[in-house]
Amino acid sequence: NAGVTQTPKFQVLKTGQSMTLQCAQDMNHEYMSWYRQDPGMGLRLIHYSVGAGITDQGEVPNGYNVSRSTTEDFPLRLLSAAPSQTSVYFCASSSGTGDVSTEAFFGQGTRLTVV
Amino acid sequence: GNSVTQMEGPVTLSEEAFLTINCTYTATGYPSLFWYVQYPGEGLQLLLKATKADDKGSNKGFEATYRKETTSFHLEKGSVQVSDSAVYFCALKQGYSTLTFGKGTMLLVSP
Repeated sequence: NAGVTQTPKFQVLKTGQSMTLQCAQDMNHEYMSWYRQDPGMGLRLIHYSVGAGITDQGEVPNGYNVSRSTTEDFPLRLLSAAPSQTSVYFCASSSGTGDVSTEAFFGQGTRLTVV
Repeated sequence: GNSVTQMEGPVTLSEEAFLTINCTYTATGYPSLFWYVQYPGEGLQLLLKATKADDKGSNKGFEATYRKETTSFHLEKGSVQVSDSAVYFCALKQGYSTLTFGKGTMLLVSP
């Protein structure tokens, strides 16, 4: 039972480079989201999706793009990496978008360093 | 908007000590409340939840009670173990919104 799979686990980028963080879930969940985790800041929402073809911005969307062409996949694109984007990124999914009681399942995270 | 405030850490305890991690929230209406735990090098996983006032969530010896009158959801455990060392996040969820997290509290348990 794979759950939520993120790749890569670690990545080092140079300033200005672009890359895509991959996220896939095999639980047929409608809702997927991306968070970044920084020391002393908790988890902050970057973008989220309530279903294929539908995405929206979270708290800190600048510098990131997302798309949701399938239920399973929700990639996060860094357009032009900056040192301020050094962080640990988590993808999460959950079922029942309108059900406040459903839990979110998280991937293992991607540790990104921008130099 | 919604917000979650939890006590800053690290919380340092000896094995078998009693644990309390405070969590208060601000939200309109009736959110669901969650505690997530993050072990070193891993993602977050659900520890327990409560979906309405006065509900008590419990798991692995941890408990938290949804107190609407004090807008709180404090995490407690009667006797911590070294294996409980982790970061604990309080969170709320409301309607079609996503989870709103507190900043996390690191727990360190020594033998």
